Amino acid sequence: DTGVSQDPRHKITKRGQNVTFRCDPISEHNRLYWYRQTLGQGPEFLTYFQNEAQLEKSRLLSDRFSAERPKGSFSTLEIQRTEQGDSAMYLCASSFKRESDTQYFGPGTRLTVL
Amino acid sequence: DAKTTQPNSMESNEEEPVHLPCNHSTISGTDYIHWYRQLPSQGPEYVIHGLTSNVNNRMASLAIAEDRKSSTLILHRATLRDAAVYYCILRDREGGSEKLVFGKGMKLTVNP
Repeated sequence: DTGVSQDPRHKITKRGQNVTFRCDPISEHNRLYWYRQTLGQGPEFLTYFQNEAQLEKSRLLSDRFSAERPKGSFSTLEIQRTEQGDSAMYLCASSFKRESDTQYFGPGTRLTVL
Repeated sequence: DAKTTQPNSMESNEEEPVHLPCNHSTISGTDYIHWYRQLPSQGPEYVIHGLTSNVNNRMASLAIAEDRKSSTLILHRATLRDAAVYYCILRDREGGSEKLVFGKGMKLTVNP
């Protein structure tokens, strides 16, 4: 059984650099979500896709952030010109559209911006 | 988004039952009650959800008050592996936003 996987698990970068994270959802899931979690807080929603369509974006997703889900399979989240405030855990989740829509989370990518 | 209120933390002893409360006085008729938990250094994990009736699964039980303004997650025999942050979340089953809105959750400590 392969759950949601994320790569890399950890990323350390210098301020101003670009970073890209990848998420592979559970294979039959057509919905994919990105969340961000800072220390001591619950996860905050960033964006979600149904198949390849990006259907909702949070105001937290500034113009430095972009997410894609080509062909409705894996997704990438890119952060351009990273800032120290971007340091956080980036979580991906997937689900299959149905009434209860349980989301299954990956282990996250921990980003540290120096 | 409808809000939930949970204690900041609770302690329990291993192999004893634990009752984790959640208040959601502004719940609407179309909101599901979801519980997720997050173990240290891991992503959140689905635990259970319900609408009106009490629910049981292999992980836990969910007891929902008759007026639906509160619910209780019940771990029948706490183990050290149940130590986590537990989140009580309301989700509108009739759509709108698909996101989960997490609060700060409740940290459960299980003593050996």
